[in-house]
This record gives sequence, C-alpha cells and structure tokens, in this order.
Amino acid sequence: DAKTTQPPSMDCAEGRAANLPCNHSTISGNEYVYWYRQIHSQGPQYIIHGLKNNETNEMASLIITEDRKSSTLILPHATLRDTAVYYCIVRVEGFQKLVFGTGTRLLVSP
Amino acid sequence: EAGVTQFPSHSVIEKGQTVTLRCDPISGHDNLYWYRRVMGKEIKFLLHFVKESKQDESGMPNNRFLAERTGGTYSTLKVQPAELEDSGVYFCASSQVLTENTEAFFGQGTRLTVV
Repeated sequence: DAKTTQPPSMDCAEGRAANLPCNHSTISGNEYVYWYRQIHSQGPQYIIHGLKNNETNEMASLIITEDRKSSTLILPHATLRDTAVYYCIVRVEGFQKLVFGTGTRLLVSP
Repeated sequence: EAGVTQFPSHSVIEKGQTVTLRCDPISGHDNLYWYRRVMGKEIKFLLHFVKESKQDESGMPNNRFLAERTGGTYSTLKVQPAELEDSGVYFCASSQVLTENTEAFFGQGTRLTVV
C-alpha cells in the first residue's frame, strides 16, 4: 500500500471547517483513499473514502486532487466531539488490510 | 443493529499467564480482523479471517498468539504466555462479504495490561 503523510496535529475552532490534508504521492491507479478517525478510548471509525472523484457524506467531504497525489478531508462545521486522531489510508480495492500511520490529532476548541 | 463487541473491555494479568480476548462481529459479516496498538505505537494489523479461515495472518507477532474463529461467527485471540510487551489495546473489526470498497467496523477494543 502507498505511504501517506499527514501533519501530526491541527487545531480548529468549534463551528469552523476543519481541513485535514494528506499526501499520498506514490498512490497507484487502483488504490482508494480512506479516512478513519479514532476518538479517545474508542475503536477506529470509518468516515469516508474515494478513488478520484470528490465525495461527500453526512460526516465529511473528501477532496482528491486531479493527480491523486493528495487529498483533504473536510469537516464542514467541527464540533468538540470531532476531537480525535484522523487517519488517511490508501489501499487497493478489495484488499482488506488497513495500514494505519500516525495520523493527525485534531483538537477542536470552544 | 449491534456493532462489533469485544470482551473483556479491560484485562490485567501477570506475565506468564494466559488471556483470551473475544470478538463478536456484526451479524452477517464474513470478514473479521484483529488489530492492536501497543504503547506509543501505531495501530497494527494482526490477522484477517474470512468466515472460519485465516486469510492473512502476516501481522501475528509470534507463536504465543493464537486466533480462532470456529464456525465463522465469533473469534478469540489467545495470548499464552503473556509478556510485558503484549500490553496494549486490541481491536477487532468486521466487514461484509468482499465487494467493492467495503468498510470495516471496529469494536471498542480490549485494553490488556501485563504486569
């Protein structure tokens, strides 16, 4: 699986958009970009995934650059409960194993 | 719908003892995975079951770890004998039959402390 690079930490004010970047410059054509998060003392939670088109669901939006070498996870209106470690993971379609990196620790403050 | 459940939530055992962790996947999920996070490290894959068969056990650290999934339902992960470095949080996850872009659902984890 391609390696991802994320900033170790980010801060965001409550109610503002949180934009979490991820670099995956070695991604190959059949690899998807997945985002998971881990809130303290809980198991990882799936957020969203995409291949090359931008995606949106009830939790977040995923913006993937045209060359697919980077992506941004957007939480449109961050709340205190969004404080967590966010993991950007790339994996081959159908390949089940998730390879977690160090992620980005997002702190949402009042 | 019940999520992935793990038991116990916490376990404290002495070095050399045996501990068995249990995972109940979401009903109907053929794929079951074990992961763990040891202190200060990243979450690491341990193994993957498809029904009762081990599909990938490349992440199992050594032969002190034994995972089973009899009947393709719940799974157990036994550590025997436990060592200090086995302390950490063990996560179980499950997903549906392999199709395009299946997501994995994780349990809350079992925090294992070996003293």
